[in-house]
Amino acid sequence: DAKTTQPNSMESNEEEPVHLPCNHSTISGTDYIHWYRQLPSQGPEYVIHGLTSNVNNRMASLAIAEDRKSSTLILHRATLRDAAVYYCILRDVSNAGNMLTFGGGTRLMVKP
Amino acid sequence: SQTIHQWPATLVQPVGSPLSLECTVEGTSNPNLYWYRQAAGRGLQLLFYSVGIGQISSEVPQNLSASRPQDRQFILSSKKLLLSDSGFYLCAWSLLVRGEQFFGPGTRLTVL
Repeated sequence: DAKTTQPNSMESNEEEPVHLPCNHSTISGTDYIHWYRQLPSQGPEYVIHGLTSNVNNRMASLAIAEDRKSSTLILHRATLRDAAVYYCILRDVSNAGNMLTFGGGTRLMVKP
Repeated sequence: SQTIHQWPATLVQPVGSPLSLECTVEGTSNPNLYWYRQAAGRGLQLLFYSVGIGQISSEVPQNLSASRPQDRQFILSSKKLLLSDSGFYLCAWSLLVRGEQFFGPGTRLTVL
């Protein structure tokens, strides 16, 4: 599976936008970009995913670079409840098991 | 709507004792099922996944095993627990045609 690189941690102020970067320079044409987040003492939670075009949902937006070698998860207004570890994961669409390989993620801290 | 259940929520077991963790999914049919483990302060490690009844794939060789006796039931077992088996065990499901995985509440296992 192609690997992703994320900063270990980031800080944000409450009610400000947050841009979480992810590099995936070895991404293949059949890799979807998935984002999950894990709040303390809970299982991961699906956030968003995309292939080539930017995506929006009620939780976040995903901006994908034109060459697909990087992407950015955008939280439009951070709240204290958004403090979590955010994982950027590539999933091969030909992977029949839909398996995900979690890396270290980015720990987002939100200051009031 | 779909829900995923795991039990027990917490478990303390002595070294050498057996283990059985159960996961059930409601509201969907023929899901892919997964077992992950997260050691303290570490990332998620995929242990097993299943694409159908009786079909189990192991990602990491160890003293754990998994079974899928029914379509929406996934069981993680061990005959003899080791100290290194301590961790947060998470069950997840996904559908073949959609990639996102949905995680259960987890079981926190402490082996003493």
